[in-house]
Amino acid sequence: AQSVTQLDSQVPVFEEAPVELRCNYSSSVSVYLFWYVQYPNQGLQLLLKYLSGSTLVKGINGFEAEFNKSQTSFHLRKPSVHISDTAEYFCAVSDLGSNYQLIWGAGTKLIIKP
Amino acid sequence: SQTIHQWPATLVQPVGSPLSLECTVEGTSNPNLYWYRQAAGRGLQLLFYSVGIGQISSEVPQNLSASRPQDRQFILSSKKLLLSDSGFYLCAWRGEGMFDTQYFGPGTRLTVL
Repeated sequence: AQSVTQLDSQVPVFEEAPVELRCNYSSSVSVYLFWYVQYPNQGLQLLLKYLSGSTLVKGINGFEAEFNKSQTSFHLRKPSVHISDTAEYFCAVSDLGSNYQLIWGAGTKLIIKP
Repeated sequence: SQTIHQWPATLVQPVGSPLSLECTVEGTSNPNLYWYRQAAGRGLQLLFYSVGIGQISSEVPQNLSASRPQDRQFILSSKKLLLSDSGFYLCAWRGEGMFDTQYFGPGTRLTVL
């Protein structure tokens, strides 16, 4: 069965520094990959998704992610973070084995230090 | 455009009381509907999902239940709340296509005292 691992529960980073949030999944057969962001006390909002095509996906708020099939990873990056990026970030995967239901990672809290 | 509503936004209930949370979707038909819970310090837990009216799949055993009386209405209920039911409840919808994105409502913060 598909599983998603977000190894870092929290990532502290200084404002204007780059950041990478890691996401690995267990199966590489025809997967579709998503990153969502959740601001405090709000619902989740789609940041970006990979369905096919270019392995580098650009999303909202200056975020991008790269699909790496050989490493079964879909890491999220931003070259320069702002205080407004403080949120929790969730990686999710869907595939035929899960009937295209989303399988969620545990989430990573991005903490921006001034 | 599609929108998803949840209410109430916050709720404080005593242990043993009943619960009813409502979610409605506008601007789409025959959506897949989901109920998730976030407990403090834990990720997203899928509670129920529905692919059509009256069709409910339960992902975890619990004292909660879900119903879908209309195409775009999804209700989460409990007859007697437990302390462990406290959390942030999120409703989401997704189109029928396999590539469709899942969209979330604003959530309900439930505190059981």
